[in-house]
Parts: sequence; structure tokens; C-alpha cells
Amino acid sequence: AQSVAQPEDQVNVAEGNPLTVKCTYSVSGNPYLFWYVQYPNRGLQFLLKYITGDNLVKGSYGFEAEFNKSQTSFHLKKPSALVSDSALYFCAVLSGAGSYQLTFGKGTKLSVIP
Amino acid sequence: DVKVTQSSRYLVKRTGEKVFLECVQDMDHENMFWYRQDPGLGLRLIYFSYDVKMKEKGDIPEGYSVSREKKERFSLILESASTNQTSMYLCASSLFGQATYEQYFGPGTRLTVT
Repeated sequence: AQSVAQPEDQVNVAEGNPLTVKCTYSVSGNPYLFWYVQYPNRGLQFLLKYITGDNLVKGSYGFEAEFNKSQTSFHLKKPSALVSDSALYFCAVLSGAGSYQLTFGKGTKLSVIP
Repeated sequence: DVKVTQSSRYLVKRTGEKVFLECVQDMDHENMFWYRQDPGLGLRLIYFSYDVKMKEKGDIPEGYSVSREKKERFSLILESASTNQTSMYLCASSLFGQATYEQYFGPGTRLTVT
């Protein structure tokens, strides 16, 4: 079964510093990977996805993610964190070939400290 | 922009009541999904639907049922609400037959069962 793991429940970073939110995956076949963000009391918003192609994927709000096949990772990154980036971040993987379902990680709470 | 709306942001029901959660999307998406979100557990898929009158069980269907009578509307039904169904419920939609796969989420319904 396809799965993703987010090893950190919480990440704290100072405003202006680079941020990384980690995600590793376990799939059979080619991985289709996604990042979502959830602001307080809101639904999830799509940030970016990796389907195929360039290993560095750029998304919304200045976020990017690096697909690393050898390390089975898909870490979310941003060069300079903003206080407004504080939110809950979810990594997800397509649940299987021919599937439209996503399997989500447990989420990582990002806190950007002024 | 895709818009997914949910009938209530907050709902309080009593144990044993029948509860209806409604979700409507305006982008003609074929796929619709119901998740519940609990702290430390991430998002778990309850049911999904690829077409009108079609439904498939997700990972945690027990105690829930769904209805999809029209393409734009997907309802989640708690036949007899219990306190362990207190949770945030999220609806999502996505396209079928396109190599996109990303899901678009509604704002969520926070259900409390007392």
C-alpha cells in the first residue's frame, strides 16, 4: 500500500530563515506526490505536486519541493519563512495506479517565530 | 477557481441523532470525497464517489453512509451519531480522466456529538 510519513509533528523556524518540512514516501511504481496547507479553521489548500519531470517543483506562496527518488523523499521548502506561513502542512501520495484517492500523512505544524 | 462549499461550519448534535453533512462543488468535478480529520491522525477517507449514484468505501466507513443524487452534491450521513464521531469533516472534489489528481477542499464542518 502507498504511504507517506511526516517525521516531525512540529517545526519551529525564525522569520526570514529557510524552512523545510519533511516527507518520505513508500510506493510501488511511480509516486505521485502532493503538498497541502491548512490554515486555522480552514480547509486544505493545494500547494504543489510532483507527477513526473523536474525534481524541483515550484508551487504557491513561494514554496517548492524536491523529489528525491534514492531517498524516497519529497521535502517542502521555502527560502525565507514568513509569520503568515504558520499552519499545518500535509504531504500526500496517490493511493495507487488508476486511483484518484490520496493517502495523507499525519501533518506537520509549522510555527514561524517573529 | 474551484469552489467547494459545506452546509455548516459548526454543528452540535446529540447521541443517536441522524446527521446530514452536505457538500456542493461548482466545477463539474466527477470525483468527490469525504474525510474526517483528527489531531495526530491526519485525514482519513470515509467514502468517495466517481459518479452520480456511485460510492465506494474508504478506510473508515463504519457508522457512515453517503448519497450522490446529483453530480455537484455529495452528502455524508451519520445514521446514529455517537460521541466518537466528534471530528472535523472535510469534503473534496477532483477531476476524473485528467492527469491532475489534486483535490480541492471545502472549509470543513466541525461536528460535536454530545
